[in-house]
Amino acid sequence: GEDVEQSLFLSVREGDSSVINCTYTDSSSTYLYWYKQEPGAGLQLLTYIFSNMDMKQDQRLTVLLNKKDKHLSLRIADTQTGDSAIYFCAESKAGNAGNMLTFGGGTRLMVKP
Amino acid sequence: DSGVTQTPKHLITATGQRVTLRCSPRSGDLSVYWYQQSLDQGLQFLIQYYNGEERAKGNILERFSAQQFPDLHSELNLSSLELGDSALYFCASSVGDWEAGTQYFGPGTRLLVL
Repeated sequence: GEDVEQSLFLSVREGDSSVINCTYTDSSSTYLYWYKQEPGAGLQLLTYIFSNMDMKQDQRLTVLLNKKDKHLSLRIADTQTGDSAIYFCAESKAGNAGNMLTFGGGTRLMVKP
Repeated sequence: DSGVTQTPKHLITATGQRVTLRCSPRSGDLSVYWYQQSLDQGLQFLIQYYNGEERAKGNILERFSAQQFPDLHSELNLSSLELGDSALYFCASSVGDWEAGTQYFGPGTRLLVL
């Protein structure tokens, strides 16, 4: 079956880099996503990577994908207090059965000043 | 602002009641998705509609139903509500159907069943 797992909690100091990890089991995943959820708010799409890519960089965000190990990571450079939130990784598998997202449980990032 | 709107923002109701949640997708998006976020189940996919037709079904209870109208807005109907239905319900939209298109999420409707 499909399963996406993340560690529950990460604490870093302001200015440091944060690395949030995710593992998935479905090798036929097409896209992998990172979403951010701030308290009381909806899900904000941060970035995504196609499954045939190894890396994607978008300003302070770097996504690394190890398809062999089914491991996805999100690195946030120069982490700020405004980055404190819950981060969800998600996978989708395009096909005739639609395009649903399967989410991990979320990693709560706490940034200390 | 993702461009996806959901109403109402908050809903408080009693067990056994029925409620309707509404979603308007981003301009140009034909697919609408519904997700439920609860403390015990996390974020779970419920159902997808594309251009008025059901495309995929996830962990949606039989007491729940949805539809997408000709103007592409969607409604999620929850009936015979139970305490465990209390959750945050998200709507998302994307341009396409089966191809892996990016999904943009609305702010959610927080449902509390007392």
